[in-house]
Amino acid sequence: QKEVEQNSGPLSVPEGAIASLNCTYSDRGSQSFFWYRQYSGKSPELIMFIYSNGDKEDGRFTAQLNKASQYVSLLIRDSQPSDSATYLCAVKSGGSNYKLTFGKGTLLTVNP
Amino acid sequence: DAGITQSPRHKVTETGTPVTLRCHQTENHRYMYWYRQDPGHGLRLIHYSYGVKDTDKGEVSDGYSVSRSKTEDFLLTLESATSSQTSVYFCAIRRGGEGETQYFGPGTRLLVL
Repeated sequence: QKEVEQNSGPLSVPEGAIASLNCTYSDRGSQSFFWYRQYSGKSPELIMFIYSNGDKEDGRFTAQLNKASQYVSLLIRDSQPSDSATYLCAVKSGGSNYKLTFGKGTLLTVNP
Repeated sequence: DAGITQSPRHKVTETGTPVTLRCHQTENHRYMYWYRQDPGHGLRLIHYSYGVKDTDKGEVSDGYSVSRSKTEDFLLTLESATSSQTSVYFCAIRRGGEGETQYFGPGTRLLVL
């Protein structure tokens, strides 16, 4: 069974710090990796995707992928209280009929 | 905004009654999905559709059925609701292009008493 594991948290960081969110996956055939942010009572929204090994930066967000270690992470620089949310890691495996496997999410709290 | 609406947004029902949740999209996407989200379990796929009248099961399909008679509508039916089906239900569509992935509707909160 394909699994995606995340630290459940909660992860608490002070405002302005770097928040680091981690995710591991079990299926070596996985090809695409996504980070969603979910505010309390709202639906998940896509914030980052990464397909290739290495880093991908978008504003304050950096996604990192290491396929050999089956590891993907999300760094949030200069964390703001508005970043407080649950972050979901999602993985698409090859030949998956466009299905995603989600981790259970990490709750991030940014303290002013 | 992924052009997805869900109805109803909130529903309270009694055990044993049938319940139908509707997902409506305005962008003509081929793939649509139903998930449930529960504390400690994350998002779990119930059913998905890859075209009109084309559907398949996800990992937690028992007790649920779906129908898709039009591209824009994907219906989820709880045939006889149970308390274990109390959850938040999200519909999603798959949008192609860069970042090809799933985009979610606003969700339906269902309470089965």
